[in-house]
Amino acid sequence: GAGVSQSPSNKVTEKGKDVELRCDPISGHTALYWYRQSLGQGLEFLIYFQGNSAPDKSGLPSDRFSAERTGGSVSTLTIQRTQQEDSAVYLCASSFGSGNTEAFFGQGTRLTVV
Amino acid sequence: GQQVMQIPQYQHVQEGEDFTTYCNSSTTLSNIQWYKQRPGGHPVFLIQLVKSGEVKKQKRLTFQFGEAKKNSSLHITATQTTDVGTYFCAGPPYNTDKLIFGTGTRLQVFP
Repeated sequence: GAGVSQSPSNKVTEKGKDVELRCDPISGHTALYWYRQSLGQGLEFLIYFQGNSAPDKSGLPSDRFSAERTGGSVSTLTIQRTQQEDSAVYLCASSFGSGNTEAFFGQGTRLTVV
Repeated sequence: GQQVMQIPQYQHVQEGEDFTTYCNSSTTLSNIQWYKQRPGGHPVFLIQLVKSGEVKKQKRLTFQFGEAKKNSSLHITATQTTDVGTYFCAGPPYNTDKLIFGTGTRLQVFP
């Protein structure tokens, strides 16, 4: 597609369940980011993939959060045993290079844990 | 850890007034980028500055990168209702290439 695609756009899950969020970056973009945005708040860095390098996981808030990027393209963010404080919009972004180039964002996945 | 703070957090202005948001990083940034997020939308890239002391203009918007490459500002002249949104600065801290975002400034413009 022409832009970054995220799915689902909305997800409501029960506390304690696992969820998977998907991101399809722009073709050819080597960098992929996941951010979390709580209502009215800023963009909290979660994880960064760059080409074939080991991902920078320094922003993951707990070991319940994990992410992978298969074949240098599609990425999945997994949250295990969801908690109410995980409720937020999860934004994915990709860029052609590293943090030195413009990042393109998807529309986000709004996660609600009830 | 690496922190990028923006002030003010919120700003309400009358249409036609000027607006400025300031961005301060705890570490040197290799470049500074600015993004705008409209209510209900996702961040959209506005501009990138790379050189120390660089100033760039886009119509009514003026962007500045500090001499020490640790701070930046965005100034909007004669705001319009279309300027409403949250403005974020972002950049890779020195020795990394990941993009860290500032805390954002939410601008509300009253007609």
